[in-house]
Amino acid sequence: ETGVTQSPTHLIKTRGQQVTLRCSSQSGHNTVSWYQQALGQGPQFIFQYYREEENGRGNFPPRFSGLQFPNYSSELNVNALELDDSALYLCASSLVDGGETQYFGPGTRLLVL
Amino acid sequence: GQQVMQIPQYQHVQEGEDFTTYCNSSTTLSNIQWYKQRPGGHPVFLIQLVKSGEVKKQKRLTFQFGEAKKNSSLHITATQTTDVGTYFCAGQNQAGTALIFGKGTTLSVSS
Repeated sequence: ETGVTQSPTHLIKTRGQQVTLRCSSQSGHNTVSWYQQALGQGPQFIFQYYREEENGRGNFPPRFSGLQFPNYSSELNVNALELDDSALYLCASSLVDGGETQYFGPGTRLLVL
Repeated sequence: GQQVMQIPQYQHVQEGEDFTTYCNSSTTLSNIQWYKQRPGGHPVFLIQLVKSGEVKKQKRLTFQFGEAKKNSSLHITATQTTDVGTYFCAGQNQAGTALIFGKGTTLSVSS
């Protein structure tokens, strides 16, 4: 196991609602990245946080936002949920901002009805 | 934008047969990483390749990084049922902040 934990494990929401997903990074890791994995696809990069600042962002709309806390844990917030937001949301922690192995948590499976 | 492509998308083999998945990037990569995801699971890091032409082995798995650092392959010798899953390659993006994943190759093995 990587030591990266995520909560909740599963979540069901309805269209238009808001959701907050949480991630605790591996001990000593100061960088957290979030990915969205739709069924049958590879993970798609949402954004990365390094020392509490957003350090890079993929092609996701502003209703996807995040936070990183002083203890390096992180949150992913999604507003105005759409049906296509149904996916596995993965966080990955690493030691530095880029160039290092990313260790994935078990993910949160979100279903939007 | 930067893209990483993998082939084949699916591969079914008989136990004991070999398996290879190929990965190609639209841009030169600083490094490439390989992950395995079991059904219902999350990606698990297998290996990272950094040097041009690098070859690394992990028991029955052989990983190669191309000379131009734009392609890579994973070869499994004598597959076992425990090898079942989806294998992803991932390259670092230009800014070095994200991994760009291929769509993966799903391997099934029948005994």
